[in-house]
Amino acid sequence: DAGITQSPRHKVTETGTPVTLRCHQTENHRYMYWYRQDPGHGLRLIHYSYGVKDTDKGEVSDGYSVSRSKTEDFLLTLESATSSQTSVYFCASGLSMNTEAFFGQGTRLTVV
Amino acid sequence: GIQVEQSPPDLILQEGANSTLRCNFSDSVNNLQWFHQNPWGQLINLFYIPSGTKQNGRLSATTVATERYSLLYISSSQTTDSGVYFCAAPGTGANNLFFGTGTRLTVIP
Repeated sequence: DAGITQSPRHKVTETGTPVTLRCHQTENHRYMYWYRQDPGHGLRLIHYSYGVKDTDKGEVSDGYSVSRSKTEDFLLTLESATSSQTSVYFCASGLSMNTEAFFGQGTRLTVV
Repeated sequence: GIQVEQSPPDLILQEGANSTLRCNFSDSVNNLQWFHQNPWGQLINLFYIPSGTKQNGRLSATTVATERYSLLYISSSQTTDSGVYFCAAPGTGANNLFFGTGTRLTVIP
């Protein structure tokens, strides 16, 4: 199994507070992704990175920012959490966009 | 982006039965993956199969890229096969996987 870990695994936060989720991979993968999973929607891309300091928006990027200062770490920040951002967040990584992607265990975020 | 459709949305099987899950996609692909999301929420890689057929134990998958579909076969199903099965593919020029909404499989003893 690919070495992708997410932290924290569970978090409850209050509306309006900033939240940062961390993804760490030990595979030296160039590409990293943040997805959110909601009932009825499958997984949808929030942001992705194609290298250190190289990031781009996905399908549902509003309200989220990302940073990648090292190959192995990809951070997702909710600047001011809202209840609509209650979801399960998955990080993934892959060598390139056309090779196999591997997923972390997921982070369940609840915004109250 | 590419449209990925999965069928059936729900499937209930008796333990030991076989099943076929289908994934249709709207554009040509050079990457297709099948995942199993277990009841604990983990996404487990089953197959990376842009074309052709692969087998892994009781599971096998076939992708016919020219006809834009992929099939996942589960034989002699077990209760541990329960969960949601997703297929995912990138669209032309896309840098990420687009997911179908999944097939929820329940295997009853």
